[in-house]
Amino acid sequence: KNQVEQSPQSLIILEGKNCTLQCNYTVSPFSNLRWYKQDTGRGPVSLTIMTFSENTKSNGRYTATLDADTKQSSLHITASQLSDSASYICVVSGNNNAGNMLTFGGGTRLMVKP
Amino acid sequence: SQTIHQWPATLVQPVGSPLSLECTVEGTSNPNLYWYRQAAGRGLQLLFYSVGIGQISSEVPQNLSASRPQDRQFILSSKKLLLSDSGFYLCAWSVQGKNIQYFGAGTRLSVL
Repeated sequence: KNQVEQSPQSLIILEGKNCTLQCNYTVSPFSNLRWYKQDTGRGPVSLTIMTFSENTKSNGRYTATLDADTKQSSLHITASQLSDSASYICVVSGNNNAGNMLTFGGGTRLMVKP
Repeated sequence: SQTIHQWPATLVQPVGSPLSLECTVEGTSNPNLYWYRQAAGRGLQLLFYSVGIGQISSEVPQNLSASRPQDRQFILSSKKLLLSDSGFYLCAWSVQGKNIQYFGAGTRLSVL
């Protein structure tokens, strides 16, 4: 069964600190892995997307890593800001045109405090 | 550029009432369209997807239905809402052949 597990479920950090969110998956076949940021009451917005051959990708203060061998990904946030408070969702997709090959993690809820 | 619109942003409906949520995409043709539900504190659950006009696939048995009357219009409906239909509903689109999805802002539905 395809699964995506994220940890921690929730995290509280102080403004300016760094943090790392984890994503483990068992989706097969693997096509790509994405990290989304979802502000409360809003739709998810894509942060990064990585294919099998990519190990790391950055988007400003967000850096995602992918280890396709161990089927693990991480999202590192540097110098956190209050606006980083949101849910971060890991999504893994297989080689299929249809939406039913997307597997969503449960998300990590991050709160950045001043 | 492509945009996706969902409305309304919030909706409060009594149990047993009908539902109609609308989603439209602009700036692209023949997109794949999706409806998701996100329960409070939970992950996204795919409800329906469509690869073309009139073509709807349902992922989970439920009280809801979907229709695609036009190429870039996707509608989520119910004849009689249940309390368990409460949640955050998201519409998304993707290019045919690609599985990168772009999400709308969502509709928060409260069934009372």
